[in-house]
Amino acid sequence: AQTVTQSQPEMSVQEAETVTLSCTYDTSENNYYLFWYKQPPSRQMILVIRQEAYKQQNATENRFSVNFQKAAKSFSLKISDSQLGDTAMYFCAFMKRYGTSYGKLTFGQGTILTVHP
Amino acid sequence: DAGVIQSPRHEVTEMGQEVTLRCKPISGHDYLFWYRQTMMRGLELLIYFNNNVPIDDSGMPEDRFSAKMPNASFSTLKIQPSEPRDSAVYFCASKIQAENSPLHFGNGTRLTVT
Repeated sequence: AQTVTQSQPEMSVQEAETVTLSCTYDTSENNYYLFWYKQPPSRQMILVIRQEAYKQQNATENRFSVNFQKAAKSFSLKISDSQLGDTAMYFCAFMKRYGTSYGKLTFGQGTILTVHP
Repeated sequence: DAGVIQSPRHEVTEMGQEVTLRCKPISGHDYLFWYRQTMMRGLELLIYFNNNVPIDDSGMPEDRFSAKMPNASFSTLKIQPSEPRDSAVYFCASKIQAENSPLHFGNGTRLTVT
C-alpha cells in the first residue's frame, strides 16, 4: 500500500513571496503519478499540478512548480509570487500507473497555506 | 463541460434516517470515485467504479454504506441508518481512462447527522 505524508500542518507566507510545501511518499511501485490539489474555503478540489514519475523534468504550471526527487520519494510544491487567492489547503496525492488500484488517489493529510497581505 | 455535479450541497438529518447522496460524473469519464473528508481522517476513498462496475469497495466503513452506479451518468451513495459519526463532506470525482488524467471533483456534499 502507498502512503503520503505532508509534515507541515500549516504554513504562512507574505503576498508576493515564495513558499514551499513538502510531501513525501512511500511506495514499492516504479511507475506512478503525483499530484497537488488545492482546496480553498469553498471546499472545491482543484488540480494544481501533476508529475509523471518516469519523467525526470520537474513539472511547472505558471507560478507553481515541483521538486520531484524520485530516489528520496519527495515531491514538494513551490509557489512563487504568492497571491491572496492561493490561501487554501493543499493536498499531495499519489496514483499508480498500472495494475490493481489504478486510478485510485491516495492523499496526504493536507497543509493549510495562508497568504498574508 | 458542466463538471462533476453533486447533490445536495448540504444535508442535515437525524440519526437513524436514510441518506442518499447523488453524483453525475463528467460525460465520457470511465471512472467514478466516492471520497469522504473529515478533520480526523482527511480524505478517504470509500469506493470506486470503472465502467459502472465497482472495483474497490474496501474503504466503505460498514454495511450501513452502499453505493451504486446504474449507468454511466449517475451514482448514489446511501447511508442507512445514518449515525452522527458519518458527519463529513462527501466528494464524488471522475476521470477518463487515459493514464495521467487527473480526478475531477464535484463540490461535495456536507452531511450533518444530529
